[in-house]
Amino acid sequence: DTGVSQDPRHKITKRGQNVTFRCDPISEHNRLYWYRQTLGQGPEFLTYFQNEAQLEKSRLLSDRFSAERPKGSFSTLEIQRTEQGDSAMYLCASSLTAGGRYTQYFGPGTRLTVL
Amino acid sequence: AQKITQTQPGMFVQEKEAVTLDCTYDTSDPSYGLFWYKQPSSGEMIFLIYQGSYDQQNATEGRYSLNFQKARKSANLVISASQLGDSAMYFCAMREGTDFGNEKLTFGTGTRLTIIP
Repeated sequence: DTGVSQDPRHKITKRGQNVTFRCDPISEHNRLYWYRQTLGQGPEFLTYFQNEAQLEKSRLLSDRFSAERPKGSFSTLEIQRTEQGDSAMYLCASSLTAGGRYTQYFGPGTRLTVL
Repeated sequence: AQKITQTQPGMFVQEKEAVTLDCTYDTSDPSYGLFWYKQPSSGEMIFLIYQGSYDQQNATEGRYSLNFQKARKSANLVISASQLGDSAMYFCAMREGTDFGNEKLTFGTGTRLTIIP
């Protein structure tokens, strides 16, 4: 059983460019989450999906951010017109709706640097 | 108010000693879950242990145990017999409620643990 994978692991871009990140969850997991982690802080929730439905979005997810999970498997997070404040680690997690714990298992993250 | 508070920004512990990482939480929801994650320098968040608010006993997972004091709203992580590989950031997190939609984890600011040989 493979864990959560994310691609790319690192992304350097210039301000104003668009970037897209991909997350592949653990295969049987139906829930998928995106978090953002800035230096010296814990992760902050951005959004989550149950299968292909996006069920909650944080106020942190501005109009420049969009997330999709078109077939209920992998997910993409796109940031349009990147700003220097978008520089952060973007973490993806997945969980299974069983057992009551809903333990979220995280991927290795994508570190974004906006120049 | 902070929902998760970790007051120890950094700790240094001698190898093979036990270490306690502090976590206090704030919620008015009677149903919640508490998690501890380890984040090595590689960046991946590794799940360590879970405690549900209705669990009668403290959770244990190998060398990890959770000292859950509900009245004090604390959920301290205890690592027994620390190893060099335990050096990492440790995050306490909370999931509130069981209603559909309360899915997000709220994290503390973390504690950086360094194990000294």
